[in-house]
Amino acid sequence: DGGITQSPKYLFRKEGQNVTLSCEQNLNHDAMYWYRQDPGQGLRLIYYSQIVNDFQKGDIAEGYSVSREKKESFPLTVTSAQKNPTAFYLCASSIKGLANNEQFFGPGTRLTVL
Amino acid sequence: AQKVTQAQTEISVVEKEDVTLDCVYETRDTTYYLFWYKQPPSGELVFLIRRNSFDEQNEISGRYSWNFQKSTSSFNFTITASQVVDSAVYFCALSEATQGAGNQFYFGTGTSLTVIP
Repeated sequence: DGGITQSPKYLFRKEGQNVTLSCEQNLNHDAMYWYRQDPGQGLRLIYYSQIVNDFQKGDIAEGYSVSREKKESFPLTVTSAQKNPTAFYLCASSIKGLANNEQFFGPGTRLTVL
Repeated sequence: AQKVTQAQTEISVVEKEDVTLDCVYETRDTTYYLFWYKQPPSGELVFLIRRNSFDEQNEISGRYSWNFQKSTSSFNFTITASQVVDSAVYFCALSEATQGAGNQFYFGTGTSLTVIP
């Protein structure tokens, strides 16, 4: 089945450790996105990539890093510099990254930093 | 400033009642797109509808209907004869054609709908 997979579903890490969240899509979409969701704040854009080997910062990129070495993969690293990393992280993709392209979302990863 | 406002944080209705979820947006673009997504308890956002700024025709899909009014910058979503399976968080989002590469979506803060059996 075509879709977006994120792993793991739940992730626990100690404070000060870097952690990488996986996002894979087999939709052959050009554009991919990472969002952070906190209670009562909706979704906020962390990073996006419209093409392989290129990515741009979103509204809340500080403390995060990404790579886009393959079209189907867009991993997100939450670094120790991120002051409040506990949140629900959603990965999305769209066919060309155009304004009228709907974004399709993965099931999300819930990160808890202890 | 918030580009998309969903003033209703939480709504509870009894099954079979109709419910309207409000969405107000703000943009200076003449070409833009509005979206509604559903987020069930599992967490994954499900795409419901896209509407472009040049098409103000209301749309109906089964029990769902959408009312787009440019004069009031609103894109409201109505569920008719609500069911327990409609319980979820609903997000409205805006995408502007002039923003260039990346197609950033501006999401509202969501409305949590609970349908009581």
